[in-house]
Amino acid sequence: AIRMTQSPSSFSASTGDRVTITCRASQGISSYLAWYQQKPGKAPKLLIYAASTLQSGVPSRFSGSGSGTDFTLTISCLQSEDFATYYCQHYYSYPPWTFGQGTKVEIK
Amino acid sequence: EVQLVETGGGLIQPGGSLRLSCAASGFTVSSNYMSWVRQAPGKGLEWVSAIYTGGSTYYADSVKGRFTISRDNSKNTLYLQMNSLRAEDTAVYYCARGQGRSGWGLFDHWGQGTLVTVSS
Repeated sequence: AIRMTQSPSSFSASTGDRVTITCRASQGISSYLAWYQQKPGKAPKLLIYAASTLQSGVPSRFSGSGSGTDFTLTISCLQSEDFATYYCQHYYSYPPWTFGQGTKVEIK
Repeated sequence: EVQLVETGGGLIQPGGSLRLSCAASGFTVSSNYMSWVRQAPGKGLEWVSAIYTGGSTYYADSVKGRFTISRDNSKNTLYLQMNSLRAEDTAVYYCARGQGRSGWGLFDHWGQGTLVTVSS
């Protein structure tokens, strides 16, 4: 199975900061990479798919890039509602589809 | 509006069985790629099982031979039959719709989740 590794696992940031989360796949997955946001007690929410395509309704401060094995999620200007845990996930080819271990963004 | 509502979770003893249901509205389950994803307490997300439009089914190695995914087209409902449950199956179980057009495993809608606790 393809392994997805996110970094960092957690970090603290302030409102207005620009933050970047990285995700690495153990083998090439083209652009079959999604990013999800999850808040405590809630289901994950799709933010970005195809590595860089914003899901409908997601604010433009979120952006994604990368292809092959290395990907990034960037939040250009962190807002209070963005403090959450973020997961990358590959959906390349057939299952199993795997998630990264998550990155928790906390308030500094 | 697309909605997914899971039910059937609860406390079950090791070795026991449980069936989860996911009632869908706003779209047709049989025309979409549907999955179950779980999340152990305080842990990350783990894909568990998928059923394709044609009926093909897939399972994570951790549940293969113990869990069965199915659907009832007349009820527009997805199921997960879980047998021989273990403590490590304790998790919130989400059903999720695969977007299909961009990827069968791209989950654009999720239910609220149902908690399964395996403990004696």
